Amino acid sequence: DTGVSQDPRHKITKRGQNVTFRCDPISEHNRLYWYRQTLGQGPEFLTYFQNEAQLEKSRLLSDRFSAERPKGSFSTLEIQRTEQGDSAMYLCASSFVLARSTDTQYFGPGTRLTVL
Amino acid sequence: AQKVTQAQTEISVVEKEDVTLDCVYETRDTTYYLFWYKQPPSGELVFLIRRNSFDEQNEISGRYSWNFQKSTSSFNFTITASQVVDSAVYFCALTGTASKLTFGTGTRLQVTL
Repeated sequence: DTGVSQDPRHKITKRGQNVTFRCDPISEHNRLYWYRQTLGQGPEFLTYFQNEAQLEKSRLLSDRFSAERPKGSFSTLEIQRTEQGDSAMYLCASSFVLARSTDTQYFGPGTRLTVL
Repeated sequence: AQKVTQAQTEISVVEKEDVTLDCVYETRDTTYYLFWYKQPPSGELVFLIRRNSFDEQNEISGRYSWNFQKSTSSFNFTITASQVVDSAVYFCALTGTASKLTFGTGTRLQVTL
């Protein structure tokens, strides 16, 4: 089995530009999560999907952030009008969950965003 | 609100020493799950273990062992006979009724020869 993959691995952009990241989960995983990790901190939850439905969004996810998982497989995270404070590692995780159970999340390698 | 505290920011040991990474958590959920992840320099978070709140049995996996004590809200991680390849940042995390993981700030472990 291949693990979670993310593309690109690194992105450098200028302030005010839009960026889009892609995450491909482990095959057959029905949940997909996005987290953000800044230097010296643990990952912070942004949002998650069960199949194609976005079930929860963090208050960290401002109006400039949007995430989609159109067919319940891969997901994209778009940041519009980037700011220097958006510089971080964006991590994707996926899991398989049955009703009323909890899941173990498996993480991808991350996309490191640098906003100049 | 849930909270995970990893008070040790950085630990340095010499190879073959034993080392314990501390994790203290706070939650109001009666059912919850605790996790440890390893983040090597490459950056990818690697799942190590998951325990649920009803299972306080300690677990051992090779050189790794975990001590879960509900009475002190702690879930500590011990590496026996540490090796250079154990050098990484280790994160403790918690989930309850919500699916999202709440992470601690991590402990950086440096193992030298």
